[in-house]
Amino acid sequence: RKEVEQDPGPFNVPEGATVAFNCTYSNSASQSFFWYRQDCRKEPKLLMSVYSSGNEDGRFTAQLNRASQYISLLIRDSKLSDSATYLCVVNSRNRDDKIIFGKGTRLHILP
Amino acid sequence: NAGVTQTPKFQVLKTGQSMTLQCAQDMNHEYMSWYRQDPGMGLRLIHYSVGAGITDQGEVPNGYNVSRSTTEDFPLRLLSAAPSQTSVYFCASRTGSSGNTIYFGEGSWLTVV
Repeated sequence: RKEVEQDPGPFNVPEGATVAFNCTYSNSASQSFFWYRQDCRKEPKLLMSVYSSGNEDGRFTAQLNRASQYISLLIRDSKLSDSATYLCVVNSRNRDDKIIFGKGTRLHILP
Repeated sequence: NAGVTQTPKFQVLKTGQSMTLQCAQDMNHEYMSWYRQDPGMGLRLIHYSVGAGITDQGEVPNGYNVSRSTTEDFPLRLLSAAPSQTSVYFCASRTGSSGNTIYFGEGSWLTVV
């Protein structure tokens, strides 16, 4: 099983729709979880951290399920500007403090 | 704030040439790292450093060298460029806690012909 797995997509979603991505991780000792956004030909940037209780930032909601070892990102009322690749990031906080990036899920918002 | 600054942004090399990608950060971050990103492969860690004078290999270190003489700078050297090193390279930095935000440079597009 890969350390961090994401559906590569692309997800083609009409503007205004709700879209959700999942990301699974294999290391049960993982402690910190994030979603990064990467626009075409740009660097990744932090979208939001993912907390155990779930957290929301405007139209974006992130959730963590430790029992099933996955995190999710929900985007409501999607905008054209949401078109990007979304990277799932997980770290173990063990001795090697390893950070693992998923390969990303591509999202295309259609007008 | 400048954040993480990478140069050059674009470079074309001939096979066998050597070059250095420069990376500097002004946030006093302990951790710095270099990734390459290829289509379908995601970000792969080349080398990283947990502080000045300390470097270690990542997932794909072959063909690359790094040094960390200061907290601010973390250059990546390609020793003898090969077409397989054609990629986008990102430098990144963060504070000591891996629960903190990773800041990336804008990327360096390298083509080896």
